[in-house]
Amino acid sequence: DTEVTQTPKHLVMGMTNKKSLKCEQHMGHRAMYWYKQKAKKPPELMFVYSYEKLSINESVPSRFSPECPNSSLLNLHLHALQPEDSALYLCASSHRGRGKGEQYFGPGTRLTVT
Amino acid sequence: DQQVKQNSPSLSVQEGRISILNCDYTNSMFDYFLWYKKYPAEGPTFLISISSIKDKNEDGRFTVFLNKSAKHLSLHIVPSQPGDSAVYFCAANPGGTSYGKLTFGQGTILTVHP
Repeated sequence: DTEVTQTPKHLVMGMTNKKSLKCEQHMGHRAMYWYKQKAKKPPELMFVYSYEKLSINESVPSRFSPECPNSSLLNLHLHALQPEDSALYLCASSHRGRGKGEQYFGPGTRLTVT
Repeated sequence: DQQVKQNSPSLSVQEGRISILNCDYTNSMFDYFLWYKKYPAEGPTFLISISSIKDKNEDGRFTVFLNKSAKHLSLHIVPSQPGDSAVYFCAANPGGTSYGKLTFGQGTILTVHP
C-alpha cells in the first residue's frame, strides 16, 4: 500500500469557521508533511512531523494548527482563515532518516475561503 | 533566494521523441535530487531520484543526469508519450538536520503531441 489519503477532497469555509483537514498513510512512514500549493506554483512546505513530533514549522500563521495523533494520521486544524489561504493543501509522508527523502503525496484538499 | 530553478516554464515535444527537462540549483549541500510529475487536481507523483554522489540514474523511459560542477540536473524521457503531459517539478533534499525539507523548482509544463 503506497497510498496517502486525504479528506475532504474539497472544502469551502467562511472566515469565521473552524474546520480540519485529515491525512492518513499506512506505509510505516515516520515523517509526515503539510504543504500548500497555489495555482501555477510549486508546493510550499508548511510543517514536518518526525516520529509524531513537530520538527519543522516554516513560520506558518497560527490560524493553521497541525496535529499528529499517531504515526499514521496527520491533521491540519483551520480557524479564522483569510481568502488568500485558498489553495491546494497537500499531505506527504516518507521514511525518516538518511536516504533520498522520497516523499509520497496525497491527492490534496482544495480549500476555498469565502 | 530561489535555490532550485527550472528556467523553462513549458516544453512541447512530439510523441516518440526525447523530452529533456532541466533544473539548476545553487546549494552545494543538497544530498538528493528528485523529480515529480503532477497532473491537475492531483498530488505530485515521485518519478526518479539521484544521489549527489552519482551522475546518472535510469528507470525505464526516465533517466536523470547530474552535473555537480555545473549544479545542473536534467530529466530525459525517451520515448515521450502523450500520457507524459503534466507539470514536472525537480526537488532537492538537503539531508542532515534539514532532512525532508524539500525545495521545489517552479515546474515545467510538458506537452507531448500525438
